[in-house]
Amino acid sequence: GAVVSQHPSWVICKSGTSVKIECRSLDFQATTMFWYRQFPKQSLMLMATSNEGSKATYEQGVEKDKFLINHASLTLSTLTVTSAHPEDSSFYICSVPREGYNEQFFGPGTRLTVL
Amino acid sequence: DAKTTQPTSMDCAEGRAANLPCNHSTISGNEYVYWYRQIHSQGPQYIIHGLKNNETNEMASLIITEDRKSSTLILPHATLRDTAVYYCIVSPASGGSYIPTFGRGTSLIVHP
Repeated sequence: GAVVSQHPSWVICKSGTSVKIECRSLDFQATTMFWYRQFPKQSLMLMATSNEGSKATYEQGVEKDKFLINHASLTLSTLTVTSAHPEDSSFYICSVPREGYNEQFFGPGTRLTVL
Repeated sequence: DAKTTQPTSMDCAEGRAANLPCNHSTISGNEYVYWYRQIHSQGPQYIIHGLKNNETNEMASLIITEDRKSSTLILPHATLRDTAVYYCIVSPASGGSYIPTFGRGTSLIVHP
């Protein structure tokens, strides 16, 4: 079964509003989670690393004030897209490394559409 | 920066083996080869990984050349549900400490 969940699976919002996306690790604790976004017909691009107990680390070109990340607990990271615009419409995916496992565990993704 | 090169697309008949190549000629001695796939509108799914020996699991086989500069993912009996984008990734560490960096991948279409 799924070990990483995301909520919501899809969301449509108006331009200028903020949207919160949750990533939950269901079976294990995670001090680190990764956030990606994927535009249509493109590959996944790493946005930021979410760190429990400390600030997130953002990739170059990703605005930290626009994409707020909060690693609220060892099983939950949230990504808030603030003042969303149509160009923020994308597929947002989180991944979680798990101790003792070689692979990353990815969430099912959240489809954001900004009108 | 992409460290792997893969064909943009491939197709395969259902029931036949799908062989997906990946070139990673600059791979370092401590880097592993990982394969993931992404079915449309879903998150990526781990398939298999290896260092230098060939590997097999319930999903696929991974064949790594002796010089480790390329590898092939083999789906022995492809089904329609195997239609997806397949990503080959090299990583400097085993375990969950690495961050997968995705290239464009290979879009595999399995047809009836």
